[in-house]
Amino acid sequence: EIVLTQSPATLSLSPGERATLSCRASQSVSKFLGWYQQKPGQAPRLLIEDASNRAPGIPARFSGSGSGTDFTLSISSLEPEDFALYFCQHRSSWPITFGQGTRLEMK
Amino acid sequence: QVQLQQWGAGLLKPSETLSLTCAVFGGSFTDYYWSWLRQSPGKGLEWIGENNHRGNANFNPSLKSRVTISLDTSKSQFSLTLNSVTAADTAVYYCARRSSWYSAWGQGTLVTVST
Repeated sequence: EIVLTQSPATLSLSPGERATLSCRASQSVSKFLGWYQQKPGQAPRLLIEDASNRAPGIPARFSGSGSGTDFTLSISSLEPEDFALYFCQHRSSWPITFGQGTRLEMK
Repeated sequence: QVQLQQWGAGLLKPSETLSLTCAVFGGSFTDYYWSWLRQSPGKGLEWIGENNHRGNANFNPSLKSRVTISLDTSKSQFSLTLNSVTAADTAVYYCARRSSWYSAWGQGTLVTVST
């Protein structure tokens, strides 16, 4: 199975700053990488589809890039509601797997 | 706006069978894969499996021997059955809708396996 490794495990930033989260795949997943946001007590919410396409209703400050094995989720200017847990997920092959998550916390 | 609402027993003893159901409100039932995932502190988010109205099912190899995902298209519902549970199956279980990505999720059900 494809292992997704996210870094850093925790990212401490202030509102207004730029966040850069990384996801690395153990083998190529082409463009088939998505990103999700999860807040405490809630289900994950889809942010980015196919590496770089924002899901419907997602603010423009969220962007994704990458292909193959290295991917990045960027949040251009952090809002208070952006502090949450972020996961990457591939759909390149079965089994579908998720990264272990990056916790974005307020400094 | 599609909504997924799930329910099922939250406390099981080892060797019992986990059973959860998810109802879909709004949207098509035939255009998607209907999926189950779970989340635990130790293992993060784990894909359990999926099925569609054509019976095209896919399962996580680590769970395949114990898992059934069935659909009731007349009720727009789908269900998860996981046999012979152990403490390692303790997690929050989510139902979800997948076209390419998981665009809609249930609210989650905490299932605890304990003597």
